[in-house]
Amino acid sequence: EVQLLESGGGLVQPGGSLRLSCAASGFTFSSYAMSWVRQAPGKGLEWVSAISGSGRTTYYANSVKGQFTISRDNSKNTLYLQMNDLRAEDTAVYYCARLWFGELGLFEYWGQGTLVTVSS
Amino acid sequence: DIQMTQSPSSLSASVGDSVTITCRASQGISNYLAWYQQKPGKVPKLLIYVASTLQSGVPSRFSGSGSGTDFTLTISSLQPEDVATYYCQKYNSAPITFGQGTRLEIK
Repeated sequence: EVQLLESGGGLVQPGGSLRLSCAASGFTFSSYAMSWVRQAPGKGLEWVSAISGSGRTTYYANSVKGQFTISRDNSKNTLYLQMNDLRAEDTAVYYCARLWFGELGLFEYWGQGTLVTVSS
Repeated sequence: DIQMTQSPSSLSASVGDSVTITCRASQGISNYLAWYQQKPGKVPKLLIYVASTLQSGVPSRFSGSGSGTDFTLTISSLQPEDVATYYCQKYNSAPITFGQGTRLEIK
């Protein structure tokens, strides 16, 4: 059974940093591209970033380019999102998702999400 | 960037009704269009991909159509468990983009 478990969310002050993690199990992690998708409270879905199975190729939404960094450790079956210079508009539930049909494909499996709140 | 626009933003229908949600892309995206269902308090679930292919396990009352810029999601006989927000998603090129969502309620 595919399982994705996010962690690392919490309350952070504007300008602060957080690193989210997503522990994957139930599949060959290195064979799949992975992604982060966020959802602000009461709002819609926003794609944030994606990474290839090898980790060599990454993609970012314009809204987070230069601010967030996606990475993965295939030896630990873990996906990461390093978030710097956080702003109030980054407040959201951050979902880890396994991609299907490539690095810019479909979100086949989702974690339960971790809440990031940016506030003073 | 290609924008995805859904209509309506919300709708209310009766059990047994046929319901249609529209998604329009600002540029042609061939058939690289997916639909997701997000029930209240739950994570999104993939319903349909390549515009009209039903994901495994999705009830046959759901169907999708379209190509290019105009797409539809139809629920042929609305059930109480279909209460959710539905999102379209354009894929296969960066950036991945979602529509703003359509909230579906039961009258």
